[in-house]
Amino acid sequence: DSGVTQTPKHLITATGQRVTLRCSPRSGDLSVYWYQQSLDQGLQFLIQYYNGEERAKGNILERFSAQQFPDLHSELNLSSLELGDSALYFCASSVDFSGGTQYFGPGTRLLVL
Amino acid sequence: GIQVEQSPPDLILQEGANSTLRCNFSDSVNNLQWFHQNPWGQLINLFYIPSGTKQNGRLSATTVATERYSLLYISSSQTTDSGVYFCAVDSGNTPLVFGKGTRLSVIA
Repeated sequence: DSGVTQTPKHLITATGQRVTLRCSPRSGDLSVYWYQQSLDQGLQFLIQYYNGEERAKGNILERFSAQQFPDLHSELNLSSLELGDSALYFCASSVDFSGGTQYFGPGTRLLVL
Repeated sequence: GIQVEQSPPDLILQEGANSTLRCNFSDSVNNLQWFHQNPWGQLINLFYIPSGTKQNGRLSATTVATERYSLLYISSSQTTDSGVYFCAVDSGNTPLVFGKGTRLSVIA
């Protein structure tokens, strides 16, 4: 158990819909990262928050957004869903904003039909 | 950006055999981690090893930062070692970049 929690574990929805994925980092970790794992793109970084502020952005679509709340949990919002958004979405956390071990949550498996 | 290449892409072993997985990267790194993704999709931290050698049970890892590669050794493999092994790096103030992974199948 990494100490990072993600909900829900599985999500099935339809094209055009909007979903919210939730992540709670390990106790004491200030950085939260979101990654997407799809069959064709592999594991890709989406976005990082550090202590409530956006720190780094990767290949995140405009239809996707994220935020980190004062209690440090984070949410990833995916809207106008397309079939190609079906993937495993991971959240990771680390103590600092750069370097150090990133600990990954169990992931949310999203299926868009 | 930094490139990560892992080899071999696939590996089939008999239970009890040893193996070496390799990760090459194209630039100096601030962070290098090895992960095991089990058949249920969970990503499990194995090592944080930007340089040097570490051991944890039957697993060990070595990173030679000056030559831009890292090796993961699995000894006396077990069926529970099956899954995909990922190497991921960052070069400081950059996100983790993952390799494509090595898919390991250990057969009883």
